[in-house]
Amino acid sequence: EIVMTQSPATLSVSPGERATLSCRASQSVSSNLAWYQQKPGQAPRLLIYGASTRATGIPARFSGSGSGTEFTLTISSLQSEDFAVYYCQQYNNWHGAFGQGTKVEIK
Amino acid sequence: EVQLVESGGGLVKPGGSLRLSCAASGFTFSNAWMSWVRQAPGKGLEWVGRIKSKTDGGTTDYAAPVKGRFTISRDDSKNTLYLQMNSLKTEDTAVYYCTTVKRITIFGVVIPAYFDYWGQGTLVTVSS
Repeated sequence: EIVMTQSPATLSVSPGERATLSCRASQSVSSNLAWYQQKPGQAPRLLIYGASTRATGIPARFSGSGSGTEFTLTISSLQSEDFAVYYCQQYNNWHGAFGQGTKVEIK
Repeated sequence: EVQLVESGGGLVKPGGSLRLSCAASGFTFSNAWMSWVRQAPGKGLEWVGRIKSKTDGGTTDYAAPVKGRFTISRDDSKNTLYLQMNSLKTEDTAVYYCTTVKRITIFGVVIPAYFDYWGQGTLVTVSS
């Protein structure tokens, strides 16, 4: 079973600043990694797949990078609507394990 | 526009049963692989199970905590996905989301990948 570990658990960032979120896999998942955003009271939304490809309609300020076991989601300039919880998910070895999430909060 | 609308959640006693439904529209449901993902209150996301399209065999797969208790099925004539939950436990309390599953091909093998569309979820509470 592949375990996904996200860090930090909470990230405090001021609007307009850059946010960098990490996701580590317990074994290589190649580039088979997705990122999701979840706002309070809402369903998750797909942001990134294939480690670095933005989903339809996702702004360019969101970018993903990495391969193997280390991945990063970067939000270049945080907007008010970006404060949310972010989850990574590997799909190299199904059963589609999620990380535990990183909450991005207003500093 | 893709729409997934879950229904059927509610309060049930431990050991009881419940059936969730997910009405799909805006895409060719019969061709889609579908999943259920749940989220316990204040917790993260947990994959529950998946069903392939009938043309791909219609097979199902489940996470260990629900295997043998939960059953996923589909009615392509009604564009509806179901989750039958039996022998419910307090730890099954969660919001249950219906999702579409994107397929990818790795070394000639088609595998389930990420969850590209999500419903708004339905709350299941298991409590005495």
